[in-house]
Amino acid sequence: QQQVKQSPQSLIVQKGGISIINCAYENTAFDYFPWYQQFPGKGPALLIAIRPDVSEKKEGRFTISFNKSAKQFSLHIMDSQPGDSATYFCAAINTDKLIFGTGTRLQVFP
Amino acid sequence: DSGVTQTPKHLITATGQRVTLRCSPRSGDLSVYWYQQSLDQGLQFLIQYYNGEERAKGNILERFSAQQFPDLHSELNLSSLELGDSALYFCASSVADRVQPYTFGSGTRLTVV
Repeated sequence: QQQVKQSPQSLIVQKGGISIINCAYENTAFDYFPWYQQFPGKGPALLIAIRPDVSEKKEGRFTISFNKSAKQFSLHIMDSQPGDSATYFCAAINTDKLIFGTGTRLQVFP
Repeated sequence: DSGVTQTPKHLITATGQRVTLRCSPRSGDLSVYWYQQSLDQGLQFLIQYYNGEERAKGNILERFSAQQFPDLHSELNLSSLELGDSALYFCASSVADRVQPYTFGSGTRLTVV
């Protein structure tokens, strides 16, 4: 129940394309869903986050879509750029620990 | 620079040894969290301290321990090291108890040989 399942494990996208990463959870007590971006040799950095009372949140080229009934949420990266190449982690938290998904390695080719 | 400082950046040690990883949280942050990142286990929560007190425990082995000092820096102690303990160890901090966002440091890469 504490797991967050993330897919795909890796993703290759052409520059300008849309990158989509999906996550699913089971624990309905989760009340905060952040996405982290991690570059090689660096720690994860908060990218964007959403609470379950909102179905969508957009920040620049990054959008989170949230489906509370299906217990799923996804990250969309519009107009993907080579600089977006990184590992992306979805995560979930209630008042306890932050649980991470397994990560998606995104590669954007020019 | 995230504001969370971890030292050392790299550590190579032999099996059976003990090491100490250090974390200085971002200025003003009272909570410190330790995570282990390995290829097969992803990012695993180990332990959290808030203002010097242990607040939450995750998948932390009995061979591992941590503490947070009055100046709010934290240390993660790993003893009787095994090959499988080789991983990246991240520290994160937040302004209050389990309040988002967490700011991560750049990690300590531990290699046990």
